[in-house]
Amino acid sequence: EDKVVQSPLSLVVHEGDTVTLNCSYEVTNFRSLLWYKQEKKAPTFLFMLTSSGIEKKSGRLSSILDKKELFSILNITATQTGDSAIYLCAGRGSSNTGKLIFGQGTTLQVKP
Amino acid sequence: DADVTQTPRNRITKTGKRIMLECSQTKGHDRMYWYRQDPGLGLRLIYYSFDVKDINKGEISDGYSVSRQAQAKFSLSLESAIPNQTALYFCATSDLGLEGADEQFFGPGTRLTVL
Repeated sequence: EDKVVQSPLSLVVHEGDTVTLNCSYEVTNFRSLLWYKQEKKAPTFLFMLTSSGIEKKSGRLSSILDKKELFSILNITATQTGDSAIYLCAGRGSSNTGKLIFGQGTTLQVKP
Repeated sequence: DADVTQTPRNRITKTGKRIMLECSQTKGHDRMYWYRQDPGLGLRLIYYSFDVKDINKGEISDGYSVSRQAQAKFSLSLESAIPNQTALYFCATSDLGLEGADEQFFGPGTRLTVL
């Protein structure tokens, strides 16, 4: 059965800290891994990763995939209170369904 | 205007009532999904649809049904609501799944409380 596991489930840091969120996956015929940020309601897309070792970067956020060890990390440097959110990762297989398998999410709280 | 809309945004109902949650999209996507989110469990897929003639069960479809009235509309029904269906429900859409098109776009969510 496909599954995606995130760790830690929750994290509290102070502004300026760097955080690393983890996502391990077991997805049949793996095709891509996606990261989403969920603040108040709808998840919003951050990154999609398909190749090992190639970092995706957007401002203070970056992510990388390791297809050999079946995991991905999301790094946030110089955290701000606006980074407080639930971060979701999801795996997609190569079947035609387009289904995403979501992890439990990591709740990040950034204190001033 | 939002690309994916859901109505209602909040609903409180009683056990045994029939409830319909509606989703509309203007993205022109063929694929639509319904998820529920519970604290600590992430998003779990209820049903998904590739077009108006195609409906598929997700991992937690028991107690739910769906209707794809048009390419742009996908409704989720709870025939007889029960308290453990209290959750945040999301509709999402995606493109045909061509290379580089794996992203799903989410609606704002419907918070459902079953008393």
